[in-house]
Amino acid sequence: EAQVTQNPRYLITVTGKKLTVTCSQNMNHEYMSWYRQDPGLGLRQIYYSMNVEVTDKGDVPEGYKVSRKEKRNFPLILESPSPNQTSLYFCASSPRWTGPTTNEKLFFGSGTQLSVL
Amino acid sequence: AQSVTQLDSQVPVFEEAPVELRCNYSSSVSVYLFWYVQYPNQGLQLLLKYLSGSTLVKGINGFEAEFNKSQTSFHLRKPSVHISDTAEYFCAVSDRLLASGTYKYIFGTGTRLKVLA
Repeated sequence: EAQVTQNPRYLITVTGKKLTVTCSQNMNHEYMSWYRQDPGLGLRQIYYSMNVEVTDKGDVPEGYKVSRKEKRNFPLILESPSPNQTSLYFCASSPRWTGPTTNEKLFFGSGTQLSVL
Repeated sequence: AQSVTQLDSQVPVFEEAPVELRCNYSSSVSVYLFWYVQYPNQGLQLLLKYLSGSTLVKGINGFEAEFNKSQTSFHLRKPSVHISDTAEYFCAVSDRLLASGTYKYIFGTGTRLKVLA
């Protein structure tokens, strides 16, 4: 089954304790991205990756790191989490856009609810 | 840069009544527009998209949207809603920077549709 798998589903941590949220897709997609969802703010992009070893900042990258060593995996790293990073996080992937006829859409994971105390 | 505006944060509607969820975007030469739906405790899934061609786009679950270039709008409609349509709906635009080969999605803040019995 084609899917984007995020882990963990729920995570409670304390300020300053490094954590990693994993994301894996089995569709051979080039494009992967991380979003955070906050009430009243919708989804905001944290980082995205166009392909292996190619990553770029989204709108809210501060306090986050990513890596793309393999095509299928795109982990999100919080080196020193703070309470303002408490949020619902989504990973998404998409095939490479090759023109208007591309069957383009984002495939989303189920989300990770992170609480930083 | 592209932006997306969803003016209605919540829309209550009675079952079997019609509904319209509004979305406006900032103007650009090439516009690719999407509606995603998020059911409770789930990730987002594609409802419909406009990449080119006919301005009236039909999606899943009886939803449709009309691309209006002069009004820079992409409103979502359904002639008769069901209780199961209760969810949050996000409008999104794909901002492509073709010269650099990168692209990103910009999401609106979401509209919570509440279908009442």
